[in-house]
Amino acid sequence: GAVVSQHPSWVICKSGTSVKIECRSLDFQATTMFWYRQFPKQSLMLMATSNEGSKATYEQGVEKDKFLINHASLTLSTLTVTSAHPEDSSFYICSATSPGLLYNEQFFGPGTRLTVL
Amino acid sequence: DQQVKQNSPSLSVQEGRISILNCDYTNSMFDYFLWYKKYPAEGPTFLISISSIKDKNEDGRFTVFLNKSAKHLSLHIVPSQPGDSAVYFCAALTNSNSGYALNFGKGTSLLVTP
Repeated sequence: GAVVSQHPSWVICKSGTSVKIECRSLDFQATTMFWYRQFPKQSLMLMATSNEGSKATYEQGVEKDKFLINHASLTLSTLTVTSAHPEDSSFYICSATSPGLLYNEQFFGPGTRLTVL
Repeated sequence: DQQVKQNSPSLSVQEGRISILNCDYTNSMFDYFLWYKKYPAEGPTFLISISSIKDKNEDGRFTVFLNKSAKHLSLHIVPSQPGDSAVYFCAALTNSNSGYALNFGKGTSLLVTP
């Protein structure tokens, strides 16, 4: 299957700082990327959907000014957690898909563990 | 509001036996369902899916059954192997604000013991 990478895989930051997480599709062009977050023992919750070259659309309850998403190219989307606080500590996972794939095929990155002190 | 529900947080099965993981959903508009397997600190891996026009889909040791009238689906793993120990997520494909996205259940942690 297609490969999606995330960087970093693990990050610790101080409260009030910003953290950028990258999601890359390595062997296909991802026109759409999704960002999910997962709290311990909870489900994966969709945060936002980003289409290449356009603004991301956020799910209800997700602060767009806090979670900045940029999908500037067909292989890269970034999620920036601005002014991070301890409650933002979570596991962030991206997935990528493309019209060339079956519509149900989303390939997931390995996730990024964010810990905010 | 959780539209995809996995009511069993954990399941323990002996190697070689059948594992049955259950999933219920509330939204009758869901028309495509998927199962994902997830190891700790990793992203989910797609296992098997089923369209709402079918009631069964089989792929090797994995079979998914769909009962639309009951809004229920299940994943059967036969025979179970220790390497199957992971968290299994049931998901329904839904329209997000701009495209298809996955609506996940909370997951069931499967432990297959030797």
